[in-house]
Amino acid sequence: LAKTTQPISMDSYEGQEVNITCSHNNIATNDYITWYQQFPSQGPRFIIQGYKTKVTNEVASLFIPADRKSSTLSLPRVSLSDTAVYYCLVGDKMDSSYKLIFGSGTRLLVRP
Amino acid sequence: GAVVSQHPSWVICKSGTSVKIECRSLDFQATTMFWYRQFPKQSLMLMATSNEGSKATYEQGVEKDKFLINHASLTLSTLTVTSAHPEDSSFYICSASSNTGDGYTFGSGTRLTVV
Repeated sequence: LAKTTQPISMDSYEGQEVNITCSHNNIATNDYITWYQQFPSQGPRFIIQGYKTKVTNEVASLFIPADRKSSTLSLPRVSLSDTAVYYCLVGDKMDSSYKLIFGSGTRLLVRP
Repeated sequence: GAVVSQHPSWVICKSGTSVKIECRSLDFQATTMFWYRQFPKQSLMLMATSNEGSKATYEQGVEKDKFLINHASLTLSTLTVTSAHPEDSSFYICSASSNTGDGYTFGSGTRLTVV
């Protein structure tokens, strides 16, 4: 099971771009990288997923270098409501029995 | 997208009683569901893997006789906390994959308080 490492916490201000980097040195060939957001007393919510290079959706971008040993979640122009815990996970998305193991996550605090 | 419904969202029970938590995949079938526990300010900890039609597999250190898991259909898994004690108070979350490539979908969680 691939292990991920992220910064424990980050601070930012409204309107800034926030980049959270995750390392996953032992990522397997079939593994995808998925980021989740969690607010207090709620289940994690899917943000974005990718395999290599760059993926962008309406809320974030995900940058993955060629060696795939790390990834960076980019949140453009954060707002107060982006204050949450962000988790980076790796796993085989086509295997529904694959166990997702959560690391510590990154606690993002957005200040006014 | 895929939706996982979890019920109840919160429950308070007396010490020694049992509590059942339901996890339903609303628009897809899930042969596998996962149960997590989360204590305040901590990450999610995987408790067990729920397999439709067969026994659940538990992570090391999780008591299978205390946390009973039943996955009787392709859309429903239940977690029963038996003889609950205050130390079982936690946030319980289930998840499942729709196998559409969009990652895992999580339930909204159940806050269990044992008094």
